[in-house]
Parts: sequence; structure tokens; C-alpha cells
Amino acid sequence: EDKVVQSPLSLVVHEGDTVTLNCSYEVTNFRSLLWYKQEKKAPTFLFMLTSSGIEKKSGRLSSILDKKELSSILNITATQTGDSAIYLCAVGGATNKLIFGTGTLLAVQP
Amino acid sequence: ETGVTQTPRHLVMGMTNKKSLKCEQHLGHNAMYWYKQSAKKPLELMFVYNFKEQTENNSVPSRFSPECPNSSHLFLHLHTLQPEDSALYLCASSQETSGGSYEQYFGPGTRLTVT
Repeated sequence: EDKVVQSPLSLVVHEGDTVTLNCSYEVTNFRSLLWYKQEKKAPTFLFMLTSSGIEKKSGRLSSILDKKELSSILNITATQTGDSAIYLCAVGGATNKLIFGTGTLLAVQP
Repeated sequence: ETGVTQTPRHLVMGMTNKKSLKCEQHLGHNAMYWYKQSAKKPLELMFVYNFKEQTENNSVPSRFSPECPNSSHLFLHLHTLQPEDSALYLCASSQETSGGSYEQYFGPGTRLTVT
């Protein structure tokens, strides 16, 4: 059965810290791994990683895909209170589905 | 502005009521999705439509009935729901399906409470 596991489940840091969120997966015929940020309601798209694009960066956020280890990390440097959110990892495989993890709840304290 | 809108944003209904959730996407996409998000659980895919055709029904009870009249609109008709159906219902769209080759964009969701 396809599954996506995220860790840690929750994390509390102070502004300015650097955080690393983890996502591991077991998905048949892997195609892509996506990161989303969910603040209040709608998850907003951050990155999509594929075999042809294993590293993505946008401002203070960056992500790397390790196909050998079947995992990905999401790094946030110089965290701000506005980074507080649930970060969701999802993986697309052979089916027309995205398999989601339970998310990591990040709280950034002033 | 996410490009995907949902109405209503909040809904309280009794177990004998019939209501509908609406989703509209303004992104020119061809695939639309319904997800259920319950506390401390992963997003659960319910239905997938690609070019107006239902391509996925993830073992969803018949008290949930989707409708996709065109590629821009998606409905979820609700009837005789149970309290455990209370959750955030999210709509999403993507260029098309194909196993996660395209990123999905989400609407703000409808917070449903069944009393």
C-alpha cells in the first residue's frame, strides 16, 4: 500500500532558526513529490520535485529529493512567524492520485 | 486569490438535510478533485474528474454524490450524513491527471459540521 510519512509531527522554533522537515514515501512508480503550506484553509503549492528536478529553491525555502532514500527534505532558513503553518508532503505515483502525509505543524515563536 | 473558489465556507447541517458544496476553478484546468481533511489525518482523496469524466471514486459512501457539469465546476451533493462526516472539504484542480505529474491547486475549503 502506498504511503507517505512526515516527521516530525510538530515543531516549535524561534524566529531566525533554520528548520528541516522530512518526508519519506513508499509509492508504486514514483512520478513526483510535492510540498504544500497550509496556514488556515487552502494548502498552497510550494514545490514539485521529479526525477528531472530534484532540487528547488524559492527565497528562504528549499527542497531536495533523494530518490535513492525515497525521501525529501524541506528547509526553511531564517524562519519568521509567518512561516507558522502545517507543511504537507504529497507523492504522485502510478495512479491518478496524490498520496498525502499527515503534515508537520511548525510554530515559529517571536 | 487561489484561482479555486468554494462555497459555502461554513455549513452546519442535520443528519436528515440535503445540501450541496460548490467548487469553481478559474485556471483553465481539466481535472478537479474532492478531498476530505479530518483532524490529525492525511488528506483523503474522495473523487477525481478528468475532462468531466469521473476517474476515481475512492470507496466513498453513497451519501456523498459528486457532479461535474463542465471542467470549471464541481459539486458535492450531501444527504443523510453522519456526525463523523464533519470535516474540512477541499476542492482542487490541476491541468489534468496523470499520477501527480501536475501540481494541484486548492480552494479554501468548506468547514462542514453535521449535528
